[in-house]
Formats: sequence, structure tokens, C-alpha cells
Amino acid sequence: NAGVTQTPKFRVLKTGQSMTLLCAQDMNHEYMSWYRQDPGMGLRLIHYSVGEGTTAKGEVPDGYNVSRLKKQNFLLGLESAAPSQTSVYFCASSYSPATYEQYFGPGTRLTVT
Amino acid sequence: AQTVTQSQPEMSVQEAETVTLSCTYDTSESDYYLFWYKQPPSRQMILVIRQEAYKQQNATENRFSVNFQKAAKSFSLKISDSQLGDAAMYFCAYRYAGGTSYGKLTFGQGTILTVHP
Repeated sequence: NAGVTQTPKFRVLKTGQSMTLLCAQDMNHEYMSWYRQDPGMGLRLIHYSVGEGTTAKGEVPDGYNVSRLKKQNFLLGLESAAPSQTSVYFCASSYSPATYEQYFGPGTRLTVT
Repeated sequence: AQTVTQSQPEMSVQEAETVTLSCTYDTSESDYYLFWYKQPPSRQMILVIRQEAYKQQNATENRFSVNFQKAAKSFSLKISDSQLGDAAMYFCAYRYAGGTSYGKLTFGQGTILTVHP
């Protein structure tokens, strides 16, 4: 049981490049979400999904897209990276939105130059 | 919109002593959860303790306890008998308990805790 995993752990992009971050969970969780962590701002919700095939916008969705084609995977895409997207990205999952326990992945540090 | 404020960017404590981290929040809802998460240098987010708003009794988990003041919208974390392994960034977080929250956590800015030997 690996829990929540994120790929990659580190990445450096040039402005305008694209990439996809992968979040995978093996706990059969319905709810998955992406947060970004910036100094002095805590974690902020980017997008979330309440089940396979569904996605919705969170607090800071601009510049990101997501997909949940399989229940166990939640992908976060950056189509044209900007320096403002330099951040640490966390994925979280839980059995349902109503469940208090959310399991976080180890994070991905992304630098956009 | 809900907000969570941690007014202490940094705190320090001597090993074996007690420290209290502060958190205030703003919400118009009456049913919600409050959490404290620990983030060590490894970056992993670790749930330390949670409090259901409808419970008057303060939550405790071993050396960790909270002081939940619902009317004042205050939620502080007390760490007793501090250990070197407690050194980390601590985040206070809020989640509305209703179905429309979709599990969204609202985090404070974080407090860096240093433990001196």
C-alpha cells in the first residue's frame, strides 16, 4: 500500500513549456485534489475531483488543467508554464469529501525560469 | 469566504518545555472541522489533531492538545514536553462540514517551530 504518490518530485521548466504532474493513490479514494504551497500563503486549492470523470475548480485554477480519467489517478497540467507557477504542489485524497482525513502526497517542487 | 490566520510566523521552544501556536479563523458556518498539520523538512503533510466544531471538549492527542474557542473563532495548539522531532512548519486548517465544501481545506500561513536542545 503506497498511499498517495506524486511524479515527479522535482522539475525545472522554462517559461512557456508544458508539463503534467501525476498523482496516484491506491486506497480506492473517491476524492482527490491539488494544492499549491507558496511561502507565507499556506496551501491553496487549485482543482479537485469528487470521482472518476469529474473535475472542478478550486481557489486558484488559472493556468492549470486537470483530468481524472481513472479513479486512482489525478493529473495536473500546465500548458504554458509561467514563473508565477513556481511552487510546491501537493496532491491529497480521501474516501469522500465528507471524510475528515485527507492523505497528502510527498509534494512536487516545480521551478519555472 | 473562510479565512484562517496564523499570526506567528516563527516560534521557538526549549526541549521538554511547552509551546502554544495560535490560529484564528473566520466563517459564517456553524458546522466545520479544524485541523493542525505538521510539515517537517521532508515536506510531508502530517495530520496532528482535529476538532469538530460541534464538540465542546478540546481534542487531545498524546502531547498535543487544542484550545478551541468557538465564539472567539480561535483554535490554538499546545505542544507539551517538546521534542526535537517536533521542529517543523505547523499549519492550521479549516474545512466546512457541509457537502458543498467538497473537502476543501483552507490553510493558514504557517508557523515555523524551532526546538532548542
